[in-house]
Amino acid sequence: DAGVTQSPTHLIKTRGQQVTLRCSPISGHKSVSWYQQVLGQGPQFIFQYYEKEERGRGNFPDRFSARQFPNYSSELNVNALLLGDSALYLCASSFSVWTDSISRTLSGELFFGEGSRLTVL
Amino acid sequence: QKEVEQDPGPLSVPEGAIVSLNCTYSNSAFQYFMWYRQYSRKGPELLMYTYSSGNKEDGRFTAQVDKSSKYISLFIRDSQPSDSATYLCATANDYKLSFGAGTTVTVRA
Repeated sequence: DAGVTQSPTHLIKTRGQQVTLRCSPISGHKSVSWYQQVLGQGPQFIFQYYEKEERGRGNFPDRFSARQFPNYSSELNVNALLLGDSALYLCASSFSVWTDSISRTLSGELFFGEGSRLTVL
Repeated sequence: QKEVEQDPGPLSVPEGAIVSLNCTYSNSAFQYFMWYRQYSRKGPELLMYTYSSGNKEDGRFTAQVDKSSKYISLFIRDSQPSDSATYLCATANDYKLSFGAGTTVTVRA
């Protein structure tokens, strides 16, 4: 079975431009999350979507937006790019959303794609 | 204050050594604790998770959580060159994971 797939794998943009990153989750997974990983740091949470609804948003400006489609794929959009937006953008899918009520199991376990590496010049 | 603090290293050990990795976290409400492994230019993959305090063992890997001191540990026994990677600790809270900065480990053959 295919894992989480992301496109494009690499891209270069200039300041002020806009970018759209795409993610296809593992078949059967209904939740998609987006994380930003700056070089030398751990991933930072941006968004989670479940069943096409936003379930959570991290501490990112409104320039960042996302959506989930009926087939559970997702797009992350970043407007008015800044140099500081240069990072690896990771998409992760899970069968369901994480919650303590799920009998201490990891049905909310996140499976990460290989990421889209964005360079802003 | 970051939710999860992790020494970024780097850490270099000879093959066969025990690797010890540590993190601290700030929110006592956290209940789930994970360790992810990330190879260069790849996404993170889940190694192990624990619920609340205690130990969990999986082959050469042992994860420990001490909630009284808010301390998370990962031990790798009989380390192999293939264990060379960045190891990320994380806590789960509702809809998101909070990651440490990651520790880069190199196991020398």
